[in-house]
Amino acid sequence: EVQLLESGGGLVQPGGSLRLSCAASGFTFNTYAMTWVRQAPGKGLEWVSLIGSTSNTYYADSVKGRFTISRDNSKNTLYLQMNSLRAEDTAVYYCAKGPKGSWDSWGQGTLVTVSS
Amino acid sequence: QSALTQPASVSGSPGQSITISCTGTSSDVGGYNYVSWYQQHPGKAPKLMIYEVSNRPSGVSNRFSGSKSGDTASLTISGLQAEDEADYYCNSYRSSSTRYVFGTGTKVTVL
Repeated sequence: EVQLLESGGGLVQPGGSLRLSCAASGFTFNTYAMTWVRQAPGKGLEWVSLIGSTSNTYYADSVKGRFTISRDNSKNTLYLQMNSLRAEDTAVYYCAKGPKGSWDSWGQGTLVTVSS
Repeated sequence: QSALTQPASVSGSPGQSITISCTGTSSDVGGYNYVSWYQQHPGKAPKLMIYEVSNRPSGVSNRFSGSKSGDTASLTISGLQAEDEADYYCNSYRSSSTRYVFGTGTKVTVL
């Protein structure tokens, strides 16, 4: 059974940093692209970043230059390093597995709140 | 980084069919067959319902079907059931620096 478990969310001040993790199990992690998607409270879904199986990376314009996606295939773990956080980054962050927008497994999400 | 356009809400009675549209441009929906649809119940993670325009993942009911014409993709739910009441989002690959874009979301209500 595929499992994705996010962690690392919490309350952070504007301008601060946070690193999210997504522990994966139940599939061959190093062969799949992985994605981060976020959802602000009461709002819709927003694609954030994707890392391919060969570690090529892509970012939404809204986070480019501030967020860094990475993966450690030896630990079956996906990361999202978030710097220079803003109030508008407040959201539930989900990790998901799959290529080309076909994200067939999702974690339960971790809440990031940016506030002073 | 504009989102794809979906109707805010669609409703139908049990047993009826409804269709949700997702309108983009030739740079996303119209240009690629990487359109997917997600169902999200309140407080839950999204669930993949359709991928690559019209393909259903294993385990998804055949009451859900997808299609595309030009710059607009559609999700049809036939034989509407109470459990189908949820938010639905389309997603498409986009030929820009922001590689993927979601739709604005549609709330489906079963009357």
